[in-house]
Formats: sequence, C-alpha cells, structure tokens
Amino acid sequence: ETGVTQTPRHLVMGMTNKKSLKCEQHLGHNAMYWYKQSAKKPLELMFVYSLEERVENNSVPSRFSPECPNSSHLFLHLHTLQPEDSALYLCASSQGTGRGAANEQFFGPGTRLTVL
Amino acid sequence: QKEVEQNSGPLSVPEGAIASLNCTYSDRGSQSFFWYRQYSGKSPELIMFIYSNGDKEDGRFTAQLNKASQYVSLLIRDSQPSDSATYLCAVRGYNFNKFYFGSGTKLNVKP
Repeated sequence: ETGVTQTPRHLVMGMTNKKSLKCEQHLGHNAMYWYKQSAKKPLELMFVYSLEERVENNSVPSRFSPECPNSSHLFLHLHTLQPEDSALYLCASSQGTGRGAANEQFFGPGTRLTVL
Repeated sequence: QKEVEQNSGPLSVPEGAIASLNCTYSDRGSQSFFWYRQYSGKSPELIMFIYSNGDKEDGRFTAQLNKASQYVSLLIRDSQPSDSATYLCAVRGYNFNKFYFGSGTKLNVKP
C-alpha cells in the first residue's frame, strides 16, 4: 500500500459512454499526476496538478478531462473514448514538484480500462 | 528519438548473481534519474533516485550515473527470484513536469 488509492480497478466501457476514474491520496501530498501505460510502450505523463492547479497537459485529447477539487482527490473524466485508449491508467502523488527527494512520486494500483 | 531508452530484455541471471540494467537518455539538461520496479499487474514502485554523477548504494542496489555519457544504470547484487520484475528508468528534465519513462527491462532471476 502506497497511500494512493484508485477506483475502479477495472472498467469496461463503450465508445459512447461517459465514465470517471477516481484517485485519492492519503499522504498529505500537494501534487498529483495521471499517467497512461499501454502495452509495450513507456509510461506517458498526461496531467500534473500542483496545489489543485493544473500545471501540465501533455497534448492529451480533449476526450480526457481531469479534475482536481482538492489536493487529496483527482479525477479523470472520460467520454467518447476510442479502442486505442484501452490501457492502464495510473495516478501518482508527490509532496511537491521540485527536484528534492521529498518530491518522489508514489503510484496508485491503477485502473485497467478497456474500450469496446 | 525516444527520450529514454532501455533494452526490453528479458535479462536472465541466476540467483545470487549481479544483474545490470542500463538506460540512456537524450536530454542533456536532465536533472534527476529514477529506477522503478514494476511487478506484473502492479503499479511501479520507486527503488532509487540519483542526482549526481557517480554511484549511490542502497542495500543490494547501486545506481550509477554518468551525465557526460547520458547513461544511468542499476546494479542488483545477490539477485533473488523475488527481484524478477520489469525495471523502469525515468528521467526528469529541467522542468519538473518533464518526466519521461523508458519502456522497461524485464528481469528474470532463475533459482
């Protein structure tokens, strides 16, 4: 247990559905991240939130919409996804976003998403 | 060109041997370097990080960084079957949000 939880752990959705992924961190961290992990590909950083403000959006399609209502919770809203969006979606948190050792990232268990 | 390159493996070593995992990166301005371990079906967990040239040791693990060669490695001494996993190299650039992962090297430690 890293102190970062994600729900649901598995999700199957059609291309016309709308769903949301939830992440919660119990570590008192100030920064949260969404990553996408596809088979045979490197982890891809999608979004970064620092103190509830989005500070990075790595050219992610608009069908992915993040929300960070407070420093402990992060959501990823999904709509009209494509089959190629099927992947493991990982949430991570860190104390801050600086270079120091205290800002290392801790990952949640991930949500395995399948888009039919 | 990929930001971070790793040999996908699998790398097979006998139990008790030294496993050597390598990683190269393209951005000379990279500041921080990380090794994560990921078991099948699990999320990555941080093993070590290194910022300065040279070696950094933590138990059976040693991270080595050579910024001139843009090369970072992880040595695992006295490898155990429980070390069998995929090892991800990650590099953070000058901007905190430029965090790039390699595709990972799969390590098999044979009893």
